[in-house]
Amino acid sequence: QVQLVESGGGVVQPGKSLRLSCAASGFIISRHGMHWVRQAPGKGLEWVAGMDYDGRREYYADSVKGRFTISRDISKNTIYLQMNSLGAEDTAVYFCARDLTLFQLDFDFWGQGALVTVSS
Amino acid sequence: QSALTQPPSASGSPGQSVTISCTGTSSDVGGYDYVSWYQQHPGRAPKLLIYEVNERPSGVPDRFSGSKSGNTASLTVSGLQADDEADYFCGSYAGRKNLVFGGGTKLTVL
Repeated sequence: QVQLVESGGGVVQPGKSLRLSCAASGFIISRHGMHWVRQAPGKGLEWVAGMDYDGRREYYADSVKGRFTISRDISKNTIYLQMNSLGAEDTAVYFCARDLTLFQLDFDFWGQGALVTVSS
Repeated sequence: QSALTQPPSASGSPGQSVTISCTGTSSDVGGYDYVSWYQQHPGRAPKLLIYEVNERPSGVPDRFSGSKSGNTASLTVSGLQADDEADYFCGSYAGRKNLVFGGGTKLTVL
């Protein structure tokens, strides 16, 4: 069955970097768009970044553009989110999510989430 | 502040129907037929209930239905059950490969 497992969350100081991983199983990531969605404590959802099925195009929310990078390793069936210049506003649970299709921004499977806390 | 506006709370008794609204603009909800709805139980990942305004993924009961009129989308939950108590989020395509969400509605089953 489809599974997404995030890792790499933790506490990081402001201005530092962190990389999240999302290991996928039960499907091939090159057949779906893949995304990161975050949720600040007690708040709503925010789409952060997405990559289309063939990995040729990446898209970012304005709030993270220039600081975050989404990437993937087909051989590991894994996607990543490199987060640089982190600030308190980036504190959130980060979910990895599979796109319903090649790139439609509808998410039919989600991971359990990885908590990122930006604090000195 | 979220791009889409949802009521913070809604409630209904078991067996009743409840409708949750999601108001945007002509740049998102009103401009595209790409509105989605997610259900999230506490401490859990969101679950896709509705996509493309009124389409249900396989496995989602037909008690959940979506619609749209102008800049406002709606989710109706019919035949309320105890397990429907959760947070509900709407999402809409907003052009240029961008997705915006609502702030969420906490549904209470009385």
